[in-house]
Amino acid sequence: DAKTTQPNSMESNEEEPVHLPCNHSTISGTDYIHWYRQLPSQGPEYVIHGLTSNVNNRMASLAIAEDRKSSTLILHRATLRDAAVYYCILGEWANTGNQFYFGTGTSLTVIP
Amino acid sequence: DSGVTQTPKHLITATGQRVTLRCSPRSGDLSVYWYQQSLDQGLQFLIQYYNGEERAKGNILERFSAQQFPDLHSELNLSSLELGDSALYFCASSPKTGLGTEAFFGQGTRLTVV
Repeated sequence: DAKTTQPNSMESNEEEPVHLPCNHSTISGTDYIHWYRQLPSQGPEYVIHGLTSNVNNRMASLAIAEDRKSSTLILHRATLRDAAVYYCILGEWANTGNQFYFGTGTSLTVIP
Repeated sequence: DSGVTQTPKHLITATGQRVTLRCSPRSGDLSVYWYQQSLDQGLQFLIQYYNGEERAKGNILERFSAQQFPDLHSELNLSSLELGDSALYFCASSPKTGLGTEAFFGQGTRLTVV
């Protein structure tokens, strides 16, 4: 079973806020939630990460549910350059070392 | 530009062959991670090195191996290649190790096995 689940695709109008959801119901207390995005023909690009509290940076905000079983990436004003596949990733410790589990990603389309 | 350099950008080889993918991390980064991206499996973590030592192992096949050299560059060796190994291979680097660490990805090496 996938560690994170995301909708396959979402659309947003330009300059509107976008809320990208992610479910990670098996998360444990020390697991981190990361978000990366990937543009066509490029490597993934870091967006934001968090553990328990909500996080803000210049790119986005991360809202983490109180029970930590879900999180939402918030882009405050979508631009055409934000069109990408957004991956929610669970970082968890295992006896083989830290593991990073990518979701299947949400393809975001921004409509002008 | 993330500062992570991967070579070659494209590689075409035959089944049964062996290839080596190279990664130069960002200046000063001690951690190197390798990922595989394929259409059916998505992005999968393969292995991590930190300052020359293996730190974590993910879904890496026994036919695959990696190492990190004293100058911190890393190589991923893929042997006895199969058609299913065709994928994009990404390297990422970060200044430290740990679950709460931001990583910087290279542009990837596209491997095609024919």
